[in-house]
Amino acid sequence: QSALTQPASVSGSPGQSITISCTGTNTYVGSSNLVSWYQQRPGKRPSLLIYEVTKRPSGVPIRFSGSKSGNTASLTISGLQAEDEANYYCSSYLHGVIFGGGTKLTVL
Amino acid sequence: EVQLVESGGGLVQPGRSLRLSCTASGFTFDDYAMHWVRQAPGKGLEWVSSISWNSDSIDYADSVKGRFTISRDNTKNSLHLQMNSLRSEDTALYYCAKDLLGSGNTNWFDPWGQGTLVTVSS
Repeated sequence: QSALTQPASVSGSPGQSITISCTGTNTYVGSSNLVSWYQQRPGKRPSLLIYEVTKRPSGVPIRFSGSKSGNTASLTISGLQAEDEANYYCSSYLHGVIFGGGTKLTVL
Repeated sequence: EVQLVESGGGLVQPGRSLRLSCTASGFTFDDYAMHWVRQAPGKGLEWVSSISWNSDSIDYADSVKGRFTISRDNTKNSLHLQMNSLRSEDTALYYCAKDLLGSGNTNWFDPWGQGTLVTVSS
């Protein structure tokens, strides 16, 4: 059981917005700026979407955004597209990197 | 273009050893920390180990500590993972990943290689 808890699945229709939560302790999320998010499309390697809670690496579309409130970090995808169907993982760091269990996003 | 190519995976019996390698290109290898992350079949991501640019700082997940050794050769742009006393639960796709920023170890992984599959079974 990971110290970062994500919903197993979420779904949305094209054009809609969805939010994936990542709930942890104060140590891992609340007082940490080390939260990141990864996307893993089916059969593909993971790729970094968000780092330092809210920042996007170059090349990541602006419709992907990160935020945090208390001990919960969130990934929001606006204008959902079919290609966004993937597994999404949150991550943080304290004496080692931890990942959430992953959330499967289905685009209806 | 940054490229990371893992190799060395395969089928190995429990208790035996295996050495993974990751060959890097497209960036100044010795400017960046490097990492290994694994993914068991049908499961999520699990961080395995990290090494700083100059090998001065090394970390391991508790699940592999004492059995796995990470190393790097900056003259050959290569990263390695020596895996000893392998167990069935070590069966996974092993990815190497570059640290995002060239200033210390941020523990943000970008990009990732395509992975090399390790299967531990008798």
